[in-house]
Parts: sequence; structure tokens; C-alpha cells
Amino acid sequence: SQKIEQNSEALNIQEGKTATLTCNYTNYSPAYLQWYRQDPGRGPVFLLLIRENEKEKRKERLKVTFDTTLKQSLFHITASQPADSATYLCAPSKLGGYQKVTFGTGTKLQVIP
Amino acid sequence: EAQVTQNPRYLITVTGKKLTVTCSQNMNHEYMSWYRQDPGLGLRQIYYSMNVEVTDKGDVPEGYKVSRKEKRNFPLILESPSPNQTSLYFCASSYNQPQHFGDGTRLSIL
Repeated sequence: SQKIEQNSEALNIQEGKTATLTCNYTNYSPAYLQWYRQDPGRGPVFLLLIRENEKEKRKERLKVTFDTTLKQSLFHITASQPADSATYLCAPSKLGGYQKVTFGTGTKLQVIP
Repeated sequence: EAQVTQNPRYLITVTGKKLTVTCSQNMNHEYMSWYRQDPGLGLRQIYYSMNVEVTDKGDVPEGYKVSRKEKRNFPLILESPSPNQTSLYFCASSYNQPQHFGDGTRLSIL
């Protein structure tokens, strides 16, 4: 069955460093992959979407890669700030968007001042 | 302002007492969905709807009902709630992608 894995443990990094979060999936061939940010007690907020034919996508300090051979996406936050502390979720998705959607369990990022 | 609105935000109730959590979106989105979130299990999809009168099961539909009579509303119904349905619930909507989420409803079933 379809499985999505994210770093199950929290990730602690120093302010100013680059945070790298991993999303691995199996038994699945997504057409694109989304990343969301979730703060405690709040709904997830969309950050970036990358398509299967795109190797890399950037938005300000955020960068996402998508390797369909490795079945993996990496999410980078450069020059990290304490305000980046949150849980980050990945969601590989099929075409059309009108499908059952499965999210990873998320990685909790803590940026230490 | 574009938003997904859930009500109530918090509810404590007892086993077996029917309840409805409402969800409304003002973005004219065709797709709407309900999720529950539990520690260690992440977001799990309960039901989704591709348009009015079209609904389908997600990964954990047991014990829940939904309806989509209007495009903007997608209520989640618990006919006979049980303690294992104590959770944080999120409604979401989208046009294609990405999804826009509500602020959540925390349900406690005693």
C-alpha cells in the first residue's frame, strides 16, 4: 500500500543554518508533491508545489527538490529563523487534484536562536 | 477574505449524542475534504467531495457521514460519536491544488 515517510523525530538547528527535511514515498507515482507548514493548533498552510518534471523549485528562502527515481523530495529552508519553527508536511498527489490526498506525518522543526 | 470556516472550534460531548461540524468556504472551490489529526498518525482523510452531490471515502470513513448539497458547505456528521473519535478535525477546500484549510475543530467525546 501507499506509504509516505518523513523524519519522524524533531529536527533542531541553529538560527542561520539551512534546514533540510525529507519526504520519501513508496508504492506511489505522484504527478506532483506539495509541502505545507502547520503551527500548533492551526490548519496546514500551503508553501510550495513541485511537479514530476521539475527537479527544483524555489520561493524566497525555501527550496524543494523532487527525485522520482529515488521517490524522494527534499525541503530546504536557508538562513533559518526562529519563526520558521513549525511542523512541515509533505503530500504527494496525483493529477487533477480531485483525488484522495495522503499527507506524511510531518517533521517538527525547531530553530534555536 | 478567502477562507474556510469551521464550527464549532471546540466541543466536548458524550458518547452517542449526534453532532455536526459545519464547514463553509467562500472561494467557489469544487473540491472539499475532511481530515482528522491524531498524535503520531498525522492527517488522515475521512471523506472528500469533488463537487455538489459527489462524495467519496478517504482513509478513515468509519463512523462519519458527509453531505454536499451546496458547493460552499460540506458538513461532517457523527451519528453516534464514540471516544475513539476524539481528535482535531480539519476541513479543506481547493480548486485543483493546493488545499486551503480551516482552523480546526477540537472534539472530545466522553
